[in-house]
Amino acid sequence: AQSVAQPEDQVNVAEGNPLTVKCTYSVSGNPYLFWYVQYPNRGLQFLLKYITGDNLVKGSYGFEAEFNKSQTSFHLKKPSALVSDSALYFCAVRGTFSGGYNKLIFGAGTRLAVHP
Amino acid sequence: GAGVSQSPSNKVTEKGKDVELRCDPISGHTALYWYRQSLGQGLEFLIYFQGNSAPDKSGLPSDRFSAERTGGSVSTLTIQRTQQEDSAVYLCASSTQGADTQYFGPGTRLTVL
Repeated sequence: AQSVAQPEDQVNVAEGNPLTVKCTYSVSGNPYLFWYVQYPNRGLQFLLKYITGDNLVKGSYGFEAEFNKSQTSFHLKKPSALVSDSALYFCAVRGTFSGGYNKLIFGAGTRLAVHP
Repeated sequence: GAGVSQSPSNKVTEKGKDVELRCDPISGHTALYWYRQSLGQGLEFLIYFQGNSAPDKSGLPSDRFSAERTGGSVSTLTIQRTQQEDSAVYLCASSTQGADTQYFGPGTRLTVL
């Protein structure tokens, strides 16, 4: 079965410090991985994705993520956090052909709080 | 350009009533998805439409839920005889055919009293 785990309910970081939001996945075959961000009372905004190629993927708002096949991880990172980065972050994997190829399977979400 | 739009933004209804939620995908996107976001279940896939193909309804939680997509564009999600456990935010997304990135609308917050 396909699944995504975000082990931290909340991550706290001081403004200007680097941030990491963790994600691990379980899927047969090559994974298609995504990060989305959700601000209060808003829908999900796409940040970045990994399909193939370089393990380090750069996305919107200065975020990047590193795909690690051996650790089945896709952690979201940013070198210098901003207060405005405070939001709910979701990691997702695209389903495999037998399990629903077009749906996204989401983690439970991690709330990022950046303190001034 | 315009993103995915959903209406209404908020809907309050009484238990047992039917509700209809609407989604307008991004122009030119042939794939459309419905998801549900609730406190207890997180983000769940409900249904997927692609062009004229039969929809993937594998995520619909019960036969009270149905969805249509008319003319390959606008979609309506209908919940009949609503129950309190149907209270959630219903999110719609669209993507270009064959593309992997789904773009989400702002959602409809449904509250069943």
